[in-house]
Amino acid sequence: DAGVIQSPRHEVTEMGQEVTLRCKPISGHDYLFWYRQTMMRGLELLIYFNNNVPIDDSGMPEDRFSAKMPNASFSTLKIQPSEPRDSAVYFCASRPTSHKETQYFGPGTRLLVL
Amino acid sequence: DAKTTQPPSMDCAEGRAANLPCNHSTISGNEYVYWYRQIHSQGPQYIIHGLKNNETNEMASLIITEDRKSSTLILPHATLRDTAVYYCIVRVAGAGGSYIPTFGRGTSLIVHP
Repeated sequence: DAGVIQSPRHEVTEMGQEVTLRCKPISGHDYLFWYRQTMMRGLELLIYFNNNVPIDDSGMPEDRFSAKMPNASFSTLKIQPSEPRDSAVYFCASRPTSHKETQYFGPGTRLLVL
Repeated sequence: DAKTTQPPSMDCAEGRAANLPCNHSTISGNEYVYWYRQIHSQGPQYIIHGLKNNETNEMASLIITEDRKSSTLILPHATLRDTAVYYCIVRVAGAGGSYIPTFGRGTSLIVHP
């Protein structure tokens, strides 16, 4: 298996622009997580899905952030409009129900908002 | 979740054992201790977890004190590739697959030649 796939790996955009991050979880995994990592705040859980349904979005910082999972093999995290403080590395992770402790993380998307 | 305390940084010579401590004095009876690590520019990686017995796998050993208020992750023969941030997490591994790890600051381990 290729593991969790994220795209793009790097994104540079200007303040006010829309940013869409993409994630393909490992096939058969029914949990998907979006995290954000910064030097100041460390690794934060933004939202997670179970069987394509959002379960907990309490970590989503503002209404500018939205996440969708239209099917079991694809999820997006959208920021509109983007701001410089959104600059971070965004990780997607997935796991099956049967392995509660073992999250599999993607390589991350490094976002820079100018 | 019980709060954990880890030293911000440690270093270790290559080939020697790396012993990473974690304090979790408020741990409750049904909470497990989990360890993850994050190598630079990669996502976190699960290492090991335990409840009260010592655990060992191909990556590391986990020693939990009898009172369960602290634990130590042991990398028996550290290599340069073990340089990473190590996270100790305490969480209930409940039914229904609802476990979500919450990552703190972790310990930055540097393995030097």
